[in-house]
Amino acid sequence: DSGVTQTPKHLITATGQRVTLRCSPRSGDLSVYWYQQSLDQGLQFLIQYYNGEERAKGNILERFSAQQFPDLHSELNLSSLELGDSALYFCASSVGQGAKGYTFGSGTRLTVV
Amino acid sequence: GQQVMQIPQYQHVQEGEDFTTYCNSSTTLSNIQWYKQRPGGHPVFLIQLVKSGEVKKQKRLTFQFGEAKKNSSLHITATQTTDVGTYFCAADTGRRALTFGSGTRLQVQP
Repeated sequence: DSGVTQTPKHLITATGQRVTLRCSPRSGDLSVYWYQQSLDQGLQFLIQYYNGEERAKGNILERFSAQQFPDLHSELNLSSLELGDSALYFCASSVGQGAKGYTFGSGTRLTVV
Repeated sequence: GQQVMQIPQYQHVQEGEDFTTYCNSSTTLSNIQWYKQRPGGHPVFLIQLVKSGEVKKQKRLTFQFGEAKKNSSLHITATQTTDVGTYFCAADTGRRALTFGSGTRLQVQP
């Protein structure tokens, strides 16, 4: 157990639907990062939050949004889902920007059918 | 935008052989990090290199950071089946989240 909790572990949904992925960071970590990993691909940065505020955006589609709540857990919302959105979505946390290493959760595997 | 190239994409070795993966950034980095992802698992932090020319060792793993702080390598001596997985470098410019390389998938034949 890395200390970063992601739910659900698996999600199967239809095209056009909306889903919410949840992440609880490791205790004491203020930064949360969302990454997308498609089959046999690298990790694509989506978005970062630090202590409740959006800090950086990567290649996040307009159909996707995220937020970090006062208790520091984060949610990634994916809407109008397409087949190409099928991927592993990882949440990672760190103490802050430039921290020594990210701690990753076990990921949510999203399958859009 | 910043690009991080990692080679090779895939390597298959016999157990006991050495393995090296290389990482190159288009920009100068504040630090570089390495992660390992086992099949079906999540990335796990291995090490962070900060100083120009830095070399760090973890048992059979040797990590190097280039003098210009734009490239790095990971070398595994005498691979074991437990080394199987994908190794990612991750570039930190100090201004945004880590940019991960495409990874090198290592397969070890017993």
